[in-house]
Amino acid sequence: DAMVIQNPRYQVTQFGKPVTLSCSQTLNHNVMYWYQQKSSQAPKLLFHYYDKDFNNEADTPDNFQSRRPNTSFCFLDIRSPGLGDAAMYLCATSRSPGLATDTQYFGPGTRLTVL
Amino acid sequence: GEDVEQSLFLSVREGDSSVINCTYTDSSSTYLYWYKQEPGAGLQLLTYIFSNMDMKQDQRLTVLLNKKDKHLSLRIADTQTGDSAIYFCAEGQGAQKLVFGQGTRLTINP
Repeated sequence: DAMVIQNPRYQVTQFGKPVTLSCSQTLNHNVMYWYQQKSSQAPKLLFHYYDKDFNNEADTPDNFQSRRPNTSFCFLDIRSPGLGDAAMYLCATSRSPGLATDTQYFGPGTRLTVL
Repeated sequence: GEDVEQSLFLSVREGDSSVINCTYTDSSSTYLYWYKQEPGAGLQLLTYIFSNMDMKQDQRLTVLLNKKDKHLSLRIADTQTGDSAIYFCAEGQGAQKLVFGQGTRLTINP
């Protein structure tokens, strides 16, 4: 089945140690998103790629970076994780950012623990 | 700015109807969505409604939209244990800029 895949599902890292989360999609969608979701909170959009164009949210810390080497893959890099970065990270895709009839399809998420 | 508000918890008996409410502030929203998140999983789109509609029904799900009051509700008929999850309301003008509420945790009592 076409889907959004996130690896790993659970990631443990140490304070300050760089970590990379991975997302891949078989939907051939143009747009890929990264969200941070803390416990009992709404998902918070960090950034998105429309094809190769990177769009950062104004309040996303510089500690968070992203790469999209091709249509299928998108990575979230956390350069120096702090305790406050422990969260569920959700990847999502959509065909187009502008179509009112489109919606986002989410992966299962990666739960990040920072020790 | 845009804001979406939901109550955090709802508890219902199995077989009863569940009604999850949501209020939003952005009157220019084109679509309003309901997503379901089961434990340890991502968000699954349940249904959506176009802003010029009042109601949408999809099997056990009924969405009601009061655009004047900026109030959205999701009714789940004959609630089952498999409906236990967190339900997120979201507003947007398309796929790109979705604004999510905090989510309502639905608990089913036997």
